[in-house]
Amino acid sequence: GQSLEQPSEVTAVEGAIVQINCTYQTSGFYGLSWYQQHDGGAPTFLSYNGLDGLEETGRFSSFLSRSDSYGYLLLQELQMKDSASYFCAVRNYGQNFVFGPGTRLSVLP
Amino acid sequence: AAGVIQSPRHLIKEKRETATLKCYPIPRHDTVYWYQQGPGQDPQFLISFYEKMQSDKGSIPDRFSAQQFSDYHSELNMSSLELGDSALYFCASSMTDNRDTGELFFGEGSRLTVL
Repeated sequence: GQSLEQPSEVTAVEGAIVQINCTYQTSGFYGLSWYQQHDGGAPTFLSYNGLDGLEETGRFSSFLSRSDSYGYLLLQELQMKDSASYFCAVRNYGQNFVFGPGTRLSVLP
Repeated sequence: AAGVIQSPRHLIKEKRETATLKCYPIPRHDTVYWYQQGPGQDPQFLISFYEKMQSDKGSIPDRFSAQQFSDYHSELNMSSLELGDSALYFCASSMTDNRDTGELFFGEGSRLTVL
């Protein structure tokens, strides 16, 4: 089977740093992606880790440890517009991506 | 830049009716995915097509079918609709290279409401 786990909710204040963790168990694994989704909107791609280590894209960074089946998304200098749901997604050996349950981030002033 | 186009954006149907959703992927993208997202849920993979052939199948009910046409657009056909089919249906596309970078490009979604 395939399963991904993420915290359901995270709350932080503007300017802070927040880390959203993702653990996974899948039948195959090519890499871990992160997506942001605002209410009623489409998921938008943030970051991808195909190899172990840290990938940095502006205020967002993502980390992967294949041996631990674990990754995280790090958001720095939080802004109000970062309030959204964040999904990790595993690209597995099939031609599809399996999404985690999502973490709802609330950024407070 | 061109994005993934989905139609209709909103659809209201009665139970036991049939609905068809359309997706036009980004030009030159060779893979199309369909996802279903219920309220407060994560996107659930339904089916994908690579170069017009079905490439993978997820939790798609037998009442649903999909295909990809010669112009690469895809259609999701849903019959005998049930209340539980009410959801946002997303189409996403990617190129082989994008798949290697883990990036899917999503359309804005089609919101289906079954009454």
